[in-house]
Amino acid sequence: DQQVKQNSPSLSVQEGRISILNCDYTNSMFDYFLWYKKYPAEGPTFLISISSIKDKNEDGRFTVFLNKSAKHLSLHIVPSQPGDSAVYFCAASARENSGYALNFGKGTSLLVTP
Amino acid sequence: NAGVMQNPRHLVRRRGQEARLRCSPMKGHSHVYWYRQLPEEGLKFMVYLQKENIIDESGMPKERFSAEFPKEGPSILRIQQVVRGDSAAYFCASSPMPAETEAFFGQGTRLTVV
Repeated sequence: DQQVKQNSPSLSVQEGRISILNCDYTNSMFDYFLWYKKYPAEGPTFLISISSIKDKNEDGRFTVFLNKSAKHLSLHIVPSQPGDSAVYFCAASARENSGYALNFGKGTSLLVTP
Repeated sequence: NAGVMQNPRHLVRRRGQEARLRCSPMKGHSHVYWYRQLPEEGLKFMVYLQKENIIDESGMPKERFSAEFPKEGPSILRIQQVVRGDSAAYFCASSPMPAETEAFFGQGTRLTVV
């Protein structure tokens, strides 16, 4: 039962442009959302997070938007750089209910071309 | 400050053998999480441990899998009588507090069952 869905397996963007990665979830108990970046043969690296009490969180070139009513979040990267090419995982947890487990989507492979 | 260390990086086992995967959390981290990534899938939560305690093992298969995090030494994920379907990348993550901060992931152990 996939509670976190990333419907785009891959995305290609030109350097300098905006990358938008999307994520949908089904469990209304989720209250904390994270994005992880993963290079081949490495573990996921934390990128940015957002609590359900917010609708936007920004960190440098990375911004995460949360639309609770639509159960949708997105990660914006602007401007995109070739070094951003990686697989991006969306994850969610239900912390208010002592939910320690992160529920991951299947990932979106981002390719930023020069 | 070394990151989360997992070993071995690659492990090959014949069907029916035992696999032992080790995870040393970051210094100062007493919370360990194990995740499994099957090919073309996202990471799936398996178990959450604190020192000498299993807090949540809701993602662990009921048979053949066990995990421990002793007072001294690394956390161990043990798979008995491995089958081909156990072939996957196993990731360990650690955090200083439960669900309060983003967990840091190791580089993973890639288990291949032949």
